[in-house]
Amino acid sequence: AQKVTQAQTEISVVEKEDVTLDCVYETRDTTYYLFWYKQPPSGELVFLIRRNSFDEQNEISGRYSWNFQKSTSSFNFTITASQVVDSAVYFCALSERGETSGSRLTFGEGTQLTVNP
Amino acid sequence: GAGVSQSPSNKVTEKGKDVELRCDPISGHTALYWYRQSLGQGLEFLIYFQGNSAPDKSGLPSDRFSAERTGGSVSTLTIQRTQQEDSAVYLCASASTWRPTGELFFGEGSRLTVL
Repeated sequence: AQKVTQAQTEISVVEKEDVTLDCVYETRDTTYYLFWYKQPPSGELVFLIRRNSFDEQNEISGRYSWNFQKSTSSFNFTITASQVVDSAVYFCALSERGETSGSRLTFGEGTQLTVNP
Repeated sequence: GAGVSQSPSNKVTEKGKDVELRCDPISGHTALYWYRQSLGQGLEFLIYFQGNSAPDKSGLPSDRFSAERTGGSVSTLTIQRTQQEDSAVYLCASASTWRPTGELFFGEGSRLTVL
């Protein structure tokens, strides 16, 4: 069975600090996709990034960066110079491959990030 | 708007009553999903619709839960004889492709409270 683990339930930092959110996954598939979503207080999940299992190149988008390491089954997310607006729940997710399952995602339990001014 | 729309945003009901939650996906999106998010928990998959194919109901927690999607667009999630443990936020998402690469677009959810 597929599983996503986000061991950090809550993280609290002070503005401008860097913060890394951990994600570890389990799958038997050789082809899979990993995602990060942000859930602000409004409740609507917002897509941040998708990474396929064949592309281990790290990605940077502004203050966000992602470190995908297949050897350790991890897909960690770092926010550099955090801001108060980054406060949200962040979910890591893993796709389930298959003709019938489509884009069904297995989510971790989320990490509540609070950035204090 | 152009996003996924869910109604009602909040629903308070008494134990034993039936409730219906509605989802309007993004126009043209063929895939539609229902997830449940209990307090402080992750997202639990409930059901998935893709076009005219039979839905994937494998995540429904009991036979009190059912969902339909009419005309390949609007979906209704029905919970019969609600129980207190059904209290959660029910999130709907749509996607433009059935492939496992598709980004899901989520609505803001329907918060259900069963007294």
